[in-house]
Amino acid sequence: EVQLVESGGGLVQPGGSLRLSCAASGFTFSSYWMSWVRQAPGKGLEWVANIKQDGSEKYYVDSVKGRFTISRDNAKNSLYLQMNSLRAEDTAVYYCARLYGSGSYGPFDYWGQGTLVTVSS
Amino acid sequence: DIQMTQSPSSLSASVGDRVTITCRASQGISNSLAWYQQKPGKAPKLLLYAASRLESGVPSRFSGSGSGTDYTLTISSLQPEDFATYYCQQYYSTPRTFGQGTKLEIK
Repeated sequence: EVQLVESGGGLVQPGGSLRLSCAASGFTFSSYWMSWVRQAPGKGLEWVANIKQDGSEKYYVDSVKGRFTISRDNAKNSLYLQMNSLRAEDTAVYYCARLYGSGSYGPFDYWGQGTLVTVSS
Repeated sequence: DIQMTQSPSSLSASVGDRVTITCRASQGISNSLAWYQQKPGKAPKLLLYAASRLESGVPSRFSGSGSGTDYTLTISSLQPEDFATYYCQQYYSTPRTFGQGTKLEIK
């Protein structure tokens, strides 16, 4: 059974940093593109970042470029999101998601349960 | 960026009703469209992809259609467990973008 379990969320002050983790199991993690998607309280879904199987390609939504870094450790079956210079508008539930198939083209077929990040003083 | 616009934003319906949700892309996306269902406090769940392909395990009362810029999600006979929020998403280009959501409520 495919499982994605996020951790690392919490309350952080504006300008602060946080590192999210996603532990994957039930599939060959190193064979899939992975993503982070977020959802502000009471709002819709927003894609944040993608990373290729070997970490050689990474893509970000404009609003987080230069502040967030997606990474992965295939030996640990783990995905990460390093978030720096956090702003109030980054407050959201952050979901780890797997991309369907082996390419970057496709929907998100499995999602974690999410971890809440709150940016507030 | 490709903008995705869903309509309606909310919808009231009864068990057994047939409902349709529409998603319009700001440019052609060549059927690179997925539909998700999200219940309160839960992660989204993939229902359909490639505009009309049903994800494994999803009931056949869900169907999708469309082409170019216009797509629809249809639920043929609403069940109690279908009351949720539905999102469309394009994966034709980066950034991946979602519609704003359609909240399906019980009448």
